[in-house]
Amino acid sequence: GENVEQHPSTLSVQEGDSAVIKCTYSDSASNYFPWYKQELGKRPQLIIDIRSNVGEKKDQRIAVTLNKTAKHFSLHITETQPEDSAVYFCAASIGDYKLSFGAGTTVTVRA
Amino acid sequence: DAGVIQSPRHEVTEMGQEVTLRCKPISGHNSLFWYRQTMMRGLELLIYFNNNVPIDDSGMPEDRFSAKMPNASFSTLKIQPSEPRDSAVYFCASSPQGGTRGNTIYFGEGSWLTVV
Repeated sequence: GENVEQHPSTLSVQEGDSAVIKCTYSDSASNYFPWYKQELGKRPQLIIDIRSNVGEKKDQRIAVTLNKTAKHFSLHITETQPEDSAVYFCAASIGDYKLSFGAGTTVTVRA
Repeated sequence: DAGVIQSPRHEVTEMGQEVTLRCKPISGHNSLFWYRQTMMRGLELLIYFNNNVPIDDSGMPEDRFSAKMPNASFSTLKIQPSEPRDSAVYFCASSPQGGTRGNTIYFGEGSWLTVV
């Protein structure tokens, strides 16, 4: 099955700085790569996703890049704010439904 | 839209008791998922239903776990008998089929289960 590795496991940044989280996947057939944000005690919520026919996607302060050749994808958060503090999960999907999640990155934005 | 609705939100039960978790997916979504989240194992897919039919239950840990989806608006996950190692957050999620966002999965608020 698909194996998704996520790094780093924890990330502390100064407010206003950028944060980058990287994920690698094992199955070259994976074609859908969502990112979820989970605040403490809350549900995971989709923040951005990218499909294998696209190399980069941006939505305000967040962006995701995909390198199919190297089988890795990254989440970039610019101008971080305290409300960006959360656990972020990457995931990869083959076909219609089965998402394999990374282990998560705990992001702390220091004021 | 009310989103995916789960109940109970919190449950504390004694080892050996039966636990039933309930889920109402988003109206119009025909894919439903049960996930389990623990610190040790992260987010794991337990079972996937499509059009009320179980398609993939390979993640169900053992025979103590069972899931049903009697209609498009209701699903249950049952643990009988429960054990302390079942303590986790159980998320139900749903997804629309087809379209440009056909794979997007929307999670419920979760059911926090503690087995003592």
